[in-house]
Amino acid sequence: GAVVSQHPSRVICKSGTSVKIECRSLDFQATTMFWYRQFPKKSLMLMATSNEGSKATYEQGVEKDKFLINHASLTLSTLTVTSAHPEDSSFYICSARGTAANYGYTFGSGTRLTVV
Amino acid sequence: AQTVTQSQPEMSVQEAETVTLSCTYDTSESNYYLFWYKQPPSRQMILVIRQEAYKQQNATENRFSVNFQKAAKSFSLKISDSQLGDTAMYFCAFIIGNEKLTFGTGTRLTIIP
Repeated sequence: GAVVSQHPSRVICKSGTSVKIECRSLDFQATTMFWYRQFPKKSLMLMATSNEGSKATYEQGVEKDKFLINHASLTLSTLTVTSAHPEDSSFYICSARGTAANYGYTFGSGTRLTVV
Repeated sequence: AQTVTQSQPEMSVQEAETVTLSCTYDTSESNYYLFWYKQPPSRQMILVIRQEAYKQQNATENRFSVNFQKAAKSFSLKISDSQLGDTAMYFCAFIIGNEKLTFGTGTRLTIIP
């Protein structure tokens, strides 16, 4: 089945630094990947849609200059949190759409970001 | 805009019992896909079951089945013979065409030994 690998699983960074999170589709090509943010005991909040070879589409209220998304290949999308602050601490999840919408999405295992 | 509502924030049930999680949604479209995802304490999102809106037959996956009522826009999940490993957050979601997934707010299910 479709597998999405997300790294790192946990990261701690200092305030003001940047951190990169990778999302790879291991056994299929993903022209579209999605980045979510999840607060404790809450649902997933879509941050942006990442399309291979083009600019990401950000949801309303998400700062595109803070959350840089790059989708340079059909198997890799990255999310870079720039100039991180403690309020950026959260759980970030990526997902990729399989061959057809009716198969839903495959999710990465998530990244817990802590900014100190 | 499409919306998904899960009216039960938390539920608990004894092991081996049956539990039903409710989900309603709102859309003006006629062709779409519905999903239940499970998020255990590991926080890995796992697809539990999916349903195509054009199919009248309710989907079933082992102990998991759905009651899909298209006219009522209802998509409940039934878990039979519940097991401790079923303890998780459960999210109802749907998608239209190639659009993004729309998630409900989730139901936290606890299976009691």
